[in-house]
Amino acid sequence: SQKIEQNSEALNIQEGKTATLTCNYTNYSPAYLQWYRQDPGRGPVFLLLIRENEKEKRKERLKVTFDTTLKQSLFHITASQPADSATYLCALILTDSWGKLQFGAGTQVVVTP
Amino acid sequence: GAGVSQSPSNKVTEKGKDVELRCDPISGHTALYWYRQSLGQGLEFLIYFQGNSAPDKSGLPSDRFSAERTGGSVSTLTIQRTQQEDSAVYLCASSTDREEKAFFGQGTRLTVV
Repeated sequence: SQKIEQNSEALNIQEGKTATLTCNYTNYSPAYLQWYRQDPGRGPVFLLLIRENEKEKRKERLKVTFDTTLKQSLFHITASQPADSATYLCALILTDSWGKLQFGAGTQVVVTP
Repeated sequence: GAGVSQSPSNKVTEKGKDVELRCDPISGHTALYWYRQSLGQGLEFLIYFQGNSAPDKSGLPSDRFSAERTGGSVSTLTIQRTQQEDSAVYLCASSTDREEKAFFGQGTRLTVV
């Protein structure tokens, strides 16, 4: 069966450190992978998109890698701040199901001062 | 409008009643998505529209659920004969194209009592 797996345990991290989140998928052939941030009671907010032919993407303190061989994406928040505390979702757009943006369950990040 | 707008923001309904949830996407966005998010869970894909057509309805949980989009703009998600398990936050998102980032509304919290 098709799965998108993100660590269900919350990631507790000290301010200033780098948070690294993992998104693993099975039985998918994604063309694109996206990362979103969701705060309690709000809809997800887009952060980064990476294509299957790209290895790495950066935006300010955020970095995403995409390894189609390992079927894995890593999401890094460098120099983390308490304001980065949220749930982070990865999402796949499949080559054989255009438009079906499929989400993982998300990983909660808690940054403490 | 400036963003994706959903109404109502909260809806409490009695079991067995029908409900309509509305989504106003960002003007000019051709792609529109509906998701359902239960408490503490990830986003469950329901349906995707490209213009007024729905190429992928595979996520609709049962025939009690239906959705339409008119004029390539507003979309309505209808749930007939609501059940308690339908209680969730229903999120709508739109994008300029199926390959691009999605903008989410704030969601409709549906409670079936």
